[in-house]
Amino acid sequence: DQQVKQNSPSLSVQEGRISILNCDYTNSMFDYFLWYKKYPAEGPTFLISISSIKDKNEDGRFTVFLNKSAKHLSLHIVPSQPGDSAVYFCAAIRGAGSYQLTFGKGTKLSVIP
Amino acid sequence: EAGVAQSPRYKIIEKRQSVAFWCNPISGHATLYWYQQILGQGPKLLIQFQNNGVVDDSQLPKDRFSAERLKGVDSTLKIQPAKLEDSAVYLCASKPGQMNTEAFFGQGTRLTVV
Repeated sequence: DQQVKQNSPSLSVQEGRISILNCDYTNSMFDYFLWYKKYPAEGPTFLISISSIKDKNEDGRFTVFLNKSAKHLSLHIVPSQPGDSAVYFCAAIRGAGSYQLTFGKGTKLSVIP
Repeated sequence: EAGVAQSPRYKIIEKRQSVAFWCNPISGHATLYWYQQILGQGPKLLIQFQNNGVVDDSQLPKDRFSAERLKGVDSTLKIQPAKLEDSAVYLCASKPGQMNTEAFFGQGTRLTVV
């Protein structure tokens, strides 16, 4: 039972263009969402997060949008750079004392110079 | 600030052997997670600790996997006996307890069972 879904296994984008990575979730108890970036042979590193009380959070080139009614979030990277090429994981925390952290399957982003 | 430390980085064992992984979380982090990441998939939660107590171990195959976090600091994950399908990267993560914030990951241990 995939509670966090990333339906696109891969995405290719030209350098300088916008990358949009999508994520859907099913559990309405999730109240905090995160994006992680992972390079080969390394652990995931935190990128950006958003609380369920917000609909947008921005950090430099990275913006996360949350649509609670649709149970959907997206990560926008503008402009995309070759160094952004990595696997991106969407994750969600179920609060209310649990703080269980659940991941999607990931989307491999390739930024083409 | 020191990050999450894991050892060993790589391990190759034969099926039916046992193996143990070690994790030292960031100092002061009350929550510790162990994840299994099979190639091409997302990290799957095996067990979550809050200090030295287990919060969630519903996806831990308890017939062969065990984990402990004595004294609420570092943790070990053991597999006994290992199966071929246990080949994966085992990731440890920690975060401050009882708050919505990011978890920090170690580099992981890549286990190959032959």
